[in-house]
Amino acid sequence: KQEVTQIPAALSVPEGENLVLNCSFTDSAIYNLQWFRQDPGKGLTSLLLIQSSQREQTSGRLNASLDKSSGRSTLYIAASQPGDSATYLCAVKAAGGGADGLTFGKGTHLIIQP
Amino acid sequence: GAGVSQSPSNKVTEKGKDVELRCDPISGHTALYWYRQSLGQGLEFLIYFQGNSAPDKSGLPSDRFSAERTGGSVSTLTIQRTQQEDSAVYLCASSPHGLASLGTQYFGPGTRLLVL
Repeated sequence: KQEVTQIPAALSVPEGENLVLNCSFTDSAIYNLQWFRQDPGKGLTSLLLIQSSQREQTSGRLNASLDKSSGRSTLYIAASQPGDSATYLCAVKAAGGGADGLTFGKGTHLIIQP
Repeated sequence: GAGVSQSPSNKVTEKGKDVELRCDPISGHTALYWYRQSLGQGLEFLIYFQGNSAPDKSGLPSDRFSAERTGGSVSTLTIQRTQQEDSAVYLCASSPHGLASLGTQYFGPGTRLLVL
């Protein structure tokens, strides 16, 4: 059974710092990996989707990498801003053409101090 | 453009009552997913629809849970004889891709269910 772990569980840093969020998964047979952010009381917003054949994706100040063989992904946030404060979730889609949904980690709760 | 919508946004019910949660996916999206997010827990996958059919219902927590989708669009998740442990946020997502999905899942805002 696929398990996704996110480290750290919580992180608080001053505005302007670059930071890295970590995600690991136990089964490397995945179709893709997705990073989401979740704001309090809101649904999930997709940030980046990396297909299994890709190594990284970039969007603005965000860069996500994927090392499928080692079961790891990182989300890099450059020049952090208070508006980046949210819970960041990592999720993987299993390969094999099954009907399974995404398997999520428990998230990293990020606070950017102004 | 309209995103995924869910109703009600909040639901408070008494233990033992039935509840029905609704999801309106993005128009044209063939795949629809239900997840549950309990306090202090990660998101848990419940069920997936490709069109109107749900190939695998094994993710549903118990036989009190059922889901259907009609017309390849709206889906309802029904919980019968609710229990306090059913209290959670129920999230719906849709995707333009079907089985062996390679696409992004777009999430609705969720329904917050509280069972007293």
